[in-house]
Amino acid sequence: GIQVEQSPPDLILQEGANSTLRCNFSDSVNNLQWFHQNPWGQLINLFYIPSGTKQNGRLSATTVATERYSLLYISSSQTTDSGVYFCAVDTTSGTYKYIFGTGTRLKVLA
Amino acid sequence: EPEVTQTPSHQVTQMGQEVILRCVPISNHLYFYWYRQILGQKVEFLVSFYNNEISEKSEIFDDQFSVERPDGSNFTLKIRSTKLEDSAMYFCASRKWGYNEQFFGPGTRLTVL
Repeated sequence: GIQVEQSPPDLILQEGANSTLRCNFSDSVNNLQWFHQNPWGQLINLFYIPSGTKQNGRLSATTVATERYSLLYISSSQTTDSGVYFCAVDTTSGTYKYIFGTGTRLKVLA
Repeated sequence: EPEVTQTPSHQVTQMGQEVILRCVPISNHLYFYWYRQILGQKVEFLVSFYNNEISEKSEIFDDQFSVERPDGSNFTLKIRSTKLEDSAMYFCASRKWGYNEQFFGPGTRLTVL
């Protein structure tokens, strides 16, 4: 089955720094979403981005489906950005089930 | 903005007991999902449901698990006889027909003692 790897696995930043999180996938995908899992365990939907680029405030994401990767950019990080970031993909098989990546654990220090 | 809701937020049960986790998907959505996340691990697909039947299930979703849409609004996951290893966060998700984005609920944390 499809493999979804995220890097880096852990990231520590000072408040105000910028960062780039990467999601690599081993097969063609139909859909891709980025999530932030907050300290209470909730999955917050950040972007639905099967291709192209989107921006929402300090966050932006780019997916290059032909090269099988997606990037999540966080600018001017804040302590509230801390948590785990997951990408999730579904394959072109049409089942629409999501395969989640391994996650990036981000800690932003004040 | 409509959202997926789940109850309870946290459930503690004894091993061997039956539990029912409840979800209310977004009202005009037709595709429903359950996912599970064991503490510290990634989120895993359990089952998808459409038109009152299971579309697909993972190997995790064995005979101890069942899903049901008992009325027009609720979507439930039942675990018949809980095991210690069922302790996890369970997420419900829904999707609208013709759209691919999945909307996730806040999760139910299940603790089996």
